[in-house]
Amino acid sequence: QSALTQPASVSGSPGQSITISCTGSSSDVGSYNLVSWYQQHPGKAPKLIIYEVTQRPSGVSGRFSGSKSADTASLTISGLQADDEADYYCCSYAGSISLFGTGTKVTVL
Amino acid sequence: QVQLQESGPGLVRPSQTLSLNCTVSGGSISSTTYYWSWVRQPPGKGLEWMGYSYYSGSAYYNSSLKSRISISVDTSMNQFSLRLTSVTAADTAVYYCASWAFGSGPNAFDIWGQGTMVTVSS
Repeated sequence: QSALTQPASVSGSPGQSITISCTGSSSDVGSYNLVSWYQQHPGKAPKLIIYEVTQRPSGVSGRFSGSKSADTASLTISGLQADDEADYYCCSYAGSISLFGTGTKVTVL
Repeated sequence: QVQLQESGPGLVRPSQTLSLNCTVSGGSISSTTYYWSWVRQPPGKGLEWMGYSYYSGSAYYNSSLKSRISISVDTSMNQFSLRLTSVTAADTAVYYCASWAFGSGPNAFDIWGQGTMVTVSS
């Protein structure tokens, strides 16, 4: 049960778009459309922002979007805003267990 | 709206057992569409899924913890619990309880507690 691989950090200027990758394997990301993404601000609990690869919970900005190709899922944040500066984690169902990604720190320049 | 709240000691001695509770409010722990979960985060590090339990008692655990962890559900108290035995400093972390909504739900950890810091130290 290895953690899913994410880049340690991604940065962008306000208004730009950034994409965070989440690489797993054919046993997790590649096998299930049950990839979710979480945003975590310092000292706070994680917040669900994408579920089932592409779906957004009610109240989550449309600037967040998700996709998947083979064993890699991606989160795109468009129109980057100061409040998007946070840690982001992917998570995949893997047959009765869940795997989180290594986490990506997003910096708004 | 379901809410989760962790409770338990903030300090545990090495080799002892870490025990935490998570109280479910605004909903029933006997719901057939939730797995009740624990996720932890060591200081400055990422999230680690520890395990989850269905209300009936069926549970699944992270294999790295399998010999030390148990998650149980108390329907009379509307709460679920984590027990982690033989703790070491590596178990120092913020512990979150969370609900995994499956079926018609988002199939994700949709609700989280605020987290509770547990330090393992003598």
